[in-house]
Amino acid sequence: SAVISQKPSRDICQRGTSLTIQCQVDSQVTMMFWYRQQPGQSLTLIATANQGSEATYESGFVIDKFPISRPNLTFSTLTVSNMSPEDSSIYLCSVTGLAGTDEQFFGPGTRLTVL
Amino acid sequence: GENVEQHPSTLSVQEGDSAVIKCTYSDSASNYFPWYKQELGKGPQLIIDIRSNVGEKKDQRIAVTLNKTAKHFSLHITETQPEDSAVYFCAAISGTYKYIFGTGTRLKVLA
Repeated sequence: SAVISQKPSRDICQRGTSLTIQCQVDSQVTMMFWYRQQPGQSLTLIATANQGSEATYESGFVIDKFPISRPNLTFSTLTVSNMSPEDSSIYLCSVTGLAGTDEQFFGPGTRLTVL
Repeated sequence: GENVEQHPSTLSVQEGDSAVIKCTYSDSASNYFPWYKQELGKGPQLIIDIRSNVGEKKDQRIAVTLNKTAKHFSLHITETQPEDSAVYFCAAISGTYKYIFGTGTRLKVLA
């Protein structure tokens, strides 16, 4: 497996502000993803972070609200823009492609509370 | 679209008993089925997986079975311990990297 870290681990933010979450992997991976997990719910894929190009967003998620960067094969950021209380969730990054496998490994998550 | 149903949503067992969680998938092209354990305040952890060319896989106290005809797969935990208490998610993947997750099962092992 890979060692995946996320920063911050948690934050409390004011409505209307933005927060950027970082995801760092200790080895190069093929693909990186961002998920949202609302309290007591399953995982919902926000987007696939593509290295060197624009992210691929799932239905219901748009770049203006969730801009994503992936400058290299080990790092990605997700920004939650113009936050509202409905954005309060756990945000998780995940990776696949370690050693050519399709197993997916998750980071520890970022717990976001918007007041 | 693709869908994965997971049952039960909550499960309480006595320590030492077995626990079984079941998932049903809709996409017959699905060929990889992982199970994740998520403890409170942590990210999901891959605990076992099975591919479509295998009917059963075992790793110590946990096992996964797959019935491709019925599009069912199940997680079996034997001799449960309090540290098995967590939320468990199944997932199905069909050829791409897009994972379809089940709705989760909250397992509580009573000491």
